[in-house]
Amino acid sequence: DVKVTQSSRYLVKRTGEKVFLECVQDMDHENMFWYRQDPGLGLRLIYFSYDVKMKEKGDIPEGYSVSREKKERFSLILESASTNQTSMYLCASREASGRAQETQYFGPGTRLLVL
Amino acid sequence: KNQVEQSPQSLIILEGKNCTLQCNYTVSPFSNLRWYKQDTGRGPVSLTIMTFSENTKSNGRYTATLDADTKQSSLHITASQLSDSASYICVVPSGGYNKLIFGAGTRLAVHP
Repeated sequence: DVKVTQSSRYLVKRTGEKVFLECVQDMDHENMFWYRQDPGLGLRLIYFSYDVKMKEKGDIPEGYSVSREKKERFSLILESASTNQTSMYLCASREASGRAQETQYFGPGTRLLVL
Repeated sequence: KNQVEQSPQSLIILEGKNCTLQCNYTVSPFSNLRWYKQDTGRGPVSLTIMTFSENTKSNGRYTATLDADTKQSSLHITASQLSDSASYICVVPSGGYNKLIFGAGTRLAVHP
């Protein structure tokens, strides 16, 4: 079974702090994704990475950056946290088959509260 | 504009009853549609995927249907259980390989 883990289930940070969210997958997947999930909205893609050191912006990259130094690990960084970044953050990974049917496997999520 | 809309937003049913969740999409070209189940405080887990040529697919008590002509899908849950309480999310790929359009989900509560 694919396992995607996220470093924290809950985080409380103050406005202006630098925040690191870590995601690790154990299935040697090339592709990894960061989403945020807000009430009443579908998941929105922040960034994705198709391989080590490779990244592309998603739909809402402003205020975020990412790092992929190792294949199994994908980090999301909030450079200066703001209250509108309070959200549930979900990491996902996927095999890079090129097929649109390929499943994305999600981590349990990190619920971030910025005060 | 490529969109995925789900209805109802929320639903309460009694244990043992059946229910049907709806998903309408305007994504084109269409390749597949996936249903995810998301338990409270957890990440989404794939339930089933429907490709263009499939009309019906079952996964235990879950049955998904797809009408590619009307661009509608439904997820039918039979003999609901308390463990079915979750959000159900409909997802359709759009454009490139990495672009997924997520519906806002239907939150289902099954009461004893």
